[in-house]
Amino acid sequence: QVQLVQSGAEVKKPGSSVNVSCKPSGGTFSSYAISWVRQAPGQGLEWMGGIIPIIGTTIYAQKFQGRVKISTNESTSTTYMELSSLRSEDTAVFYCARGPGWFFVNWGQGTLVTVSS
Amino acid sequence: DIVMTQSPDSLAVSLGERATINCKSSQSVLYSSNNKNSLAWYQQKTGQPPKLLIYSASTRESGVPDRFSGSGSGTDFTLTISSLQAEDVAVYYCQQYYSTPNSFGQGTKLEIK
Repeated sequence: QVQLVQSGAEVKKPGSSVNVSCKPSGGTFSSYAISWVRQAPGQGLEWMGGIIPIIGTTIYAQKFQGRVKISTNESTSTTYMELSSLRSEDTAVFYCARGPGWFFVNWGQGTLVTVSS
Repeated sequence: DIVMTQSPDSLAVSLGERATINCKSSQSVLYSSNNKNSLAWYQQKTGQPPKLLIYSASTRESGVPDRFSGSGSGTDFTLTISSLQAEDVAVYYCQQYYSTPNSFGQGTKLEIK
């Protein structure tokens, strides 16, 4: 089964940006969409947005519109999520997740982003 | 946006007994064109990413034990674990993918009584 491998934990200052990567093991793009899901400590799951790599279409949750950018690098089969203007409330585990639509068959291991001055 | 509400927030069930988790959507997630509900269930164990159990409200993902089943249509859905095992201790989430932003329920914490 495809596994998604994410980049490592990050510590960021308020107001800065973070870039998290996600790459399928054995990985090439497929027609599957890749989404990013945020989970604050002890909290539930929140969809941020997603991309269909094969056609480059992105869609974002309005809550994150203007602060998040999801992109792909075809040559490395890697998907990126950049979140800007970080604040303490953005401290969370960020997951990439992949599926034949907007439900998620495969998940990355998660990347902890800590926002602290 | 569609709001997903789960009940109960937490649940304690004896080993071997049935566990039932409910999920209600603020509007129907049934696609009339194919008569499929855009509703998924996930299991999340402590320190792990979520795992897909059920999609289209009642289709079990490959490799998921058959003690897990999903039912319901329209706005009301249920995840049932027919005979609780120790390894089923987790938080369970429903998710609608009928429209974006797709959205999750708040989660139901399942423990052993």
